[in-house]
Amino acid sequence: AQTVTQSQPEMSVQEAETVTLSCTYDTSESDYYLFWYKQPPSRQMILVIRQEAYKQQNATENRFSVNFQKAAKSFSLKISDSQLGDAAMYFCAYRVTQGGSEKLVFGKGTKLTVNP
Amino acid sequence: AAGVIQSPRHLIKEKRETATLKCYPIPRHDTVYWYQQGPGQDPQFLISFYEKMQSDKGSIPDRFSAQQFSDYHSELNMSSLELGDSALYFCASSTGGDTDTQYFGPGTRLTVL
Repeated sequence: AQTVTQSQPEMSVQEAETVTLSCTYDTSESDYYLFWYKQPPSRQMILVIRQEAYKQQNATENRFSVNFQKAAKSFSLKISDSQLGDAAMYFCAYRVTQGGSEKLVFGKGTKLTVNP
Repeated sequence: AAGVIQSPRHLIKEKRETATLKCYPIPRHDTVYWYQQGPGQDPQFLISFYEKMQSDKGSIPDRFSAQQFSDYHSELNMSSLELGDSALYFCASSTGGDTDTQYFGPGTRLTVL
């Protein structure tokens, strides 16, 4: 079964600094998708960024970028110029494709604190 | 842009009661997913529907059932509620297919007393 591991239960960063959140996954599939979702105190699940496994280029979305290492099965999220509004729980997710279903498998999450 | 709508946003029930959660996907999205997130936990997949047919089933108790209607909205029916069913229930929708991304609704917070 596919698993997603986030080894950092909590991280903190100073405002305007850069922070990297780690994620590793286990799969025997060659084609899949990886996501980072943000869950602020409102508990809304917000898509931050996604990466297709067949693409070698790392995805970027403004201040958010990923370091995707397919061979190492690693998918880290870098947040540059951190802002107070970035404080949230961040979930790494792997999308399974089995017989037409595309359910998400989530890691346990990393709680990010941004210090002013 | 239109988002996924879930109702109600909050629900309080007694043990052994029944609850119905509703989900209205983003327009033109034909695939709906339900997830359960317990306190301090990551979301767990329950069930999904594509074009009104169940497409996958996860760790959903037999006391729960769900369906997708002709207008693509979905309902999650929960019977014989237990204290452990207290959680945040998310609905997500997508266009389906290999390139889809799931967009989440705000969730329904269910409290069972």
